Amino acid sequence: GQQVMQIPQYQHVQEGEDFTTYCNSSTTLSNIQWYKQRPGGHPVFLIQLVKSGEVKKQKRLTFQFGEAKKNSSLHITATQTTDVGTYFCAFSGSARQLTFGSGTQLTVLP
Amino acid sequence: NAGVTQTPKFRVLKTGQSMTLLCAQDMNHEYMYWYRQDPGMGLRLIHYSVGEGTTAKGEVPDGYNVSRLKKQNFLLGLESAAPSQTSVYFCASSHWGNGANVLTFGAGSRLTVL
Repeated sequence: GQQVMQIPQYQHVQEGEDFTTYCNSSTTLSNIQWYKQRPGGHPVFLIQLVKSGEVKKQKRLTFQFGEAKKNSSLHITATQTTDVGTYFCAFSGSARQLTFGSGTQLTVLP
Repeated sequence: NAGVTQTPKFRVLKTGQSMTLLCAQDMNHEYMYWYRQDPGMGLRLIHYSVGEGTTAKGEVPDGYNVSRLKKQNFLLGLESAAPSQTSVYFCASSHWGNGANVLTFGAGSRLTVL
């Protein structure tokens, strides 16, 4: 079935540095969602992208959906310790399932 | 408004024992899901339901059974637990609307099988 590859698996940054995680698919996706999971917590929805080339911003977070709808990225500007957690991309299939990438675990060093 | 509630939060089983995880949602969502999360493997779908009385297999259904007798509840059963089923289990629910299927997750249930 359809899958997404998420890179990197781990990322350590100094507080104030930028961070980017990428989600790549070999097939065209109808949509892409991003979730954040704090350590010891549960995934929480951040945003959904559906249009080719779509860019959305939430404060320091910028989300992009590729022109071919096969890749997506999440960029955090000037990371803070509150950004620590694992970021997952996910997409909806025709059967109403949501398939998740393996996640990028972000550590922010103070 | 509690959202999605999972019970129990923690459980330790011996190999071969059975147990049921309960998921309850109060948002009147049609869809419910059970995922397991293992280190480095993200969230993998076990079973899901698109409505009361219906269930379907996900990516890793073997060793699990589910039931959705009431719209608000989704039960995940392990008939004969194995150490490979040691994991954190997350239940989620959603409402499909406007082309979006946004999941609301429960807090998780940590299961250890010895």
